[in-house]
Amino acid sequence: EIVMTQSPATLSVSPGERATLSCRASQSVSSNLAWYQQKPGQAPRLLIYGASTRATGIPARFSGSGSGTEFTLTISSLQSEDFAVYYCQQYNNWPPKLTFGGGTKVEIK
Amino acid sequence: QITLKESGPTLVKPTQTLTLTCTFSGFSLSTSGVGVGWIRQPPGKALEWLALIYWDDDKRYSPSLKSRLTITKDTSKNQVVLTMTNMDPVDTATYYCAHTIVGALGDAFDIWGQGTMVTVSS
Repeated sequence: EIVMTQSPATLSVSPGERATLSCRASQSVSSNLAWYQQKPGQAPRLLIYGASTRATGIPARFSGSGSGTEFTLTISSLQSEDFAVYYCQQYNNWPPKLTFGGGTKVEIK
Repeated sequence: QITLKESGPTLVKPTQTLTLTCTFSGFSLSTSGVGVGWIRQPPGKALEWLALIYWDDDKRYSPSLKSRLTITKDTSKNQVVLTMTNMDPVDTATYYCAHTIVGALGDAFDIWGQGTMVTVSS
């Protein structure tokens, strides 16, 4: 089973600053990685798939990079609506399993 | 516009079987490449993938829960049903269904339902 590890668990950032979130896979997942944003009481929202492709309607301030085992989600200039929990998900270990990371909470500094 | 909505009991007793229904619109599960998955999230915890069914009736399950899960589809009703047997308090979670397109999205889920909270308690 591929384990996805996200760091840090919590990231304190001021509005307008850059945020860099990491996701590490226990073995290569190629570029088969997605990022989601989840706000309290809401379902997750797909931000990035294929490690670097923005989903429909996602602002350009969100960017994804990486391949293999190391991935990064960058939010270039944090807006108030970006404070949320972010999850990575691999879909390379297929079959039999899709796995999510433990999440990174981006909070206001 | 694609929408999905989960429905089912909010409270089940330990050892009972949970049956959840995902009713969707805006796409057909008979279209090549389309899939619907189930994901759950215990309160305050991370997401966990449970099962996925594709347009061709191919079905995939989380290995750790495979013995307890069954996923089926009713294309005519635009529904996907998930059953989970032998429920336990640790299965208390919000259960989501979500849409994917193999190939275009890999197995990333682009549209999610609002989720339904299920509590397991006697």
